[in-house]
Amino acid sequence: QKEVEQNSGPLSVPEGAIASLNCTYSDRGSQSFFWYRQYSGKSPELIMFIYSNGDKEDGRFTAQLNKASQYVSLLIRDSQPSDSATYLCAVPPPTMDTGRRALTFGSGTRLQVQP
Amino acid sequence: AAGVIQSPRHLIKEKRETATLKCYPIPRHDTVYWYQQGPGQDPQFLISFYEKMQSDKGSIPDRFSAQQFSDYHSELNMSSLELGDSALYFCASSSPSWGARSSGANVLTFGAGSRLTVL
Repeated sequence: QKEVEQNSGPLSVPEGAIASLNCTYSDRGSQSFFWYRQYSGKSPELIMFIYSNGDKEDGRFTAQLNKASQYVSLLIRDSQPSDSATYLCAVPPPTMDTGRRALTFGSGTRLQVQP
Repeated sequence: AAGVIQSPRHLIKEKRETATLKCYPIPRHDTVYWYQQGPGQDPQFLISFYEKMQSDKGSIPDRFSAQQFSDYHSELNMSSLELGDSALYFCASSSPSWGARSSGANVLTFGAGSRLTVL
């Protein structure tokens, strides 16, 4: 089982709608969760991270974390065509060992926002 | 604000040749990570350095090596190149103090990437 699982999509939503992206993780010890956006041929850029159960809002983006169910989601409100990209969920190793803090990425969900 | 700088941005090599990629992290970031992303794939972690020492090793082939220098820049050396090495190579950097304040939320900032094509 992969550490981080995402549906590859594509997820297609009309402009102005809410896009919902989901991610599940395997290690119950994971403490923080990251959402990155990646346009084709470009580098991943951080959208937001979350480490507490519940919701975290930043502009049009809301991250939701449910540690009991081991899933984290990203909601994009008022979706715009410019939001069309691949969204990567990422998890660091569960230990606080400073010697190993690389992120493990899911395979990403491709979002298409239709004008 | 200064970002992670990678060079070269594009590189074309023949099979069995050698390539070197360079990464300059964000100032005062002391950890550097290298990722490889093949077409349609997610970024795969290769190797990382913390305070100039290798801190973690991922799926880096034995033909590849890397190091971090005294000025914190890092180089990824790839030898005996194969067609399958064609990919985007990303470098990322992070700051440990930021992560410690945020319950281990270690934010990686990525460079623009180096695209390697092996013919």
